[in-house]
Amino acid sequence: DGGITQSPKYLFRKEGQNVTLSCEQNLNHDAMYWYRQDPGQGLRLIYYSQIVNDFQKGDIAEGYSVSREKKESFPLTVTSAQKNPTAFYLCASSMIRGGSYNEQFFGPGTRLTVL
Amino acid sequence: AQTVTQSQPEMSVQEAETVTLSCTYDTSENNYYLFWYKQPPSRQMILVIRQEAYKQQNATENRFSVNFQKAAKSFSLKISDSQLGDTAMYFCAFISEGNYQLIWGAGTKLIIKP
Repeated sequence: DGGITQSPKYLFRKEGQNVTLSCEQNLNHDAMYWYRQDPGQGLRLIYYSQIVNDFQKGDIAEGYSVSREKKESFPLTVTSAQKNPTAFYLCASSMIRGGSYNEQFFGPGTRLTVL
Repeated sequence: AQTVTQSQPEMSVQEAETVTLSCTYDTSENNYYLFWYKQPPSRQMILVIRQEAYKQQNATENRFSVNFQKAAKSFSLKISDSQLGDTAMYFCAFISEGNYQLIWGAGTKLIIKP
């Protein structure tokens, strides 16, 4: 089945630790995205990538880092510099076609809790 | 700045009733797309319906339809014959053509009561 997988589903982090959230897609999509979701708010873009080895910051990139070494994979690292990392994190992917919008497909999400 | 506003934090209706969720947006762009996404308790984000701004005809998908008023910058979602499985958070989102960033509203929690 084609789709997006995220792991783990739940993640607990101690203060001062870096953690990495996994996102893999087998849809052959060029673009991948990381969003953060907090209660009572819409999704906010952290980073996105349109091509391997290239990525751009979104609105709330501070305290996060990403890599895009393979087309299928776009891991997100939440660093100790992120002051309030407890949130639900969603990964998405889409095709890239000029002159139109390309639907973003979402993974099941990872719930990160800082202890 | 482009913004999306959903003024109803929570709504509840009886099963089989019709419900309308409101969304307004602000943009100076002329070419853009609008979406309604559903996020059930599983938290999987699912696209419900989309509307291209250049199309005057309102989009429909089975029991879901939109009322797109471009001049008023309004994009409401109507759910007919509501079902228990429609219980979810509903998000309105916007993207301008050629952009990669979806702009999201804060969401409306919809509860369908049996």
